[in-house]
Amino acid sequence: EAQVTQNPRYLITVTGKKLTVTCSQNMNHEYMSWYRQDPGLGLRQIYYSMNVEVTDKGDVPEGYKVSRKEKRNFPLILESPSPNQTSLYFCASSLKGTGVLPYEQYFGPGTRLTVT
Amino acid sequence: GEDVEQSLFLSVREGDSSVINCTYTDSSSTYLYWYKQEPGAGLQLLTYIFSNMDMKQDQRLTVLLNKKDKHLSLRIADTQTGDSAIYFCAENPPGSYIPTFGRGTSLIVHP
Repeated sequence: EAQVTQNPRYLITVTGKKLTVTCSQNMNHEYMSWYRQDPGLGLRQIYYSMNVEVTDKGDVPEGYKVSRKEKRNFPLILESPSPNQTSLYFCASSLKGTGVLPYEQYFGPGTRLTVT
Repeated sequence: GEDVEQSLFLSVREGDSSVINCTYTDSSSTYLYWYKQEPGAGLQLLTYIFSNMDMKQDQRLTVLLNKKDKHLSLRIADTQTGDSAIYFCAENPPGSYIPTFGRGTSLIVHP
């Protein structure tokens, strides 16, 4: 089954304790990205990756790191989490778009993070 | 920069039609998308429209595109309680690898 998986689905942690949220896709997609979803703010992109070893900042990258060592995995790292990073996080992947054909973003089920 | 704009909430009665509106930013966007997010889940692509089309119909869904005004709408006929979700409009300007999403419209369907 084609899917994007995220782990953990729920996480409660304390300020300053490093954490990693994993993301994996089994569709051989080139593009992967991380979003955070907050009430009234919609989806905001944190980081994206166009291929292995190629990553770039999205709209709200501060306080986050990512890596893309393998095509299927795109972990999100919070080196020193703070309460303002409490949010719902989504990983997504898609084929490389050409602008000629539509392409679909496939989303993971989300990770609800609470930082106290 | 400019945002993809959507109203935040829409409440309808079961059986009525719902119309969710969106204003996008880039008139050169080739495709425009509607994604649906059901409670507790990630987003899923619902439908899309090519920019040279004015309308696309798919069962209970009708997408209307007004390129001049950069206005996109999603009409759901005979709205059911299972249609309760957040609906996101998204655009993909040429040269952009990742779509830009609106803030989402929460559709609430009541009996």
